[in-house]
Amino acid sequence: DTGVSQDPRHKITKRGQNVTFRCDPISEHNRLYWYRQTLGQGPEFLTYFQNEAQLEKSRLLSDRFSAERPKGSFSTLEIQRTEQGDSAMYLCASSPSLAGVRTGELFFGEGSRLTVL
Amino acid sequence: GNSVTQMEGPVTLSEEAFLTINCTYTATGYPSLFWYVQYPGEGLQLLLKATKADDKGSNKGFEATYRKETTSFHLEKGSVQVSDSAVYFCALSDNSGNTPLVFGKGTRLSVIA
Repeated sequence: DTGVSQDPRHKITKRGQNVTFRCDPISEHNRLYWYRQTLGQGPEFLTYFQNEAQLEKSRLLSDRFSAERPKGSFSTLEIQRTEQGDSAMYLCASSPSLAGVRTGELFFGEGSRLTVL
Repeated sequence: GNSVTQMEGPVTLSEEAFLTINCTYTATGYPSLFWYVQYPGEGLQLLLKATKADDKGSNKGFEATYRKETTSFHLEKGSVQVSDSAVYFCALSDNSGNTPLVFGKGTRLSVIA
């Protein structure tokens, strides 16, 4: 399967613990996005990368959140000192090029569901 | 800022019924508009799109027309099937290539046989 893959699919953690999610985009896709989706809401933008450069971060991305994309391939999203409000589905998407972004064709993974107890 | 408002669900229809899911938008300039669909247990996927006023996007029997005068992009299908049960998201892009997609809250559709 050559789609966007995310790991783990589900994570249950206690408040205060750190968690890390990984996203492997479609091969050779330049852009990689992280979104967060809570129950009954649409995806909310968190951050995105053009190759290895992080180009934009949403104000939703507090200091406890950090994302990286070393070497412009896979990406990680780390949440430190998790809070119950961090419980959500974290979605990763990639697009092949700037033109792909302009046409709105983001390719999404199945998401990583985080539950903070 | 840019935003999308779509009708709240859930929407429950019988098989072969007509479907309309309303979507209106607020944006500066001339955005592109999209419908994404999320089937149970799967990631979001692009269903259809329209990049300029009066364009009609279509796919899998679904259609949506970009109406600039009413700032709308309503999703329609003439005869729904059980397999269309999913969550549908309206989305907007400002075409700059630098602004991420903005999504509506989603509308859950359940089609019963």
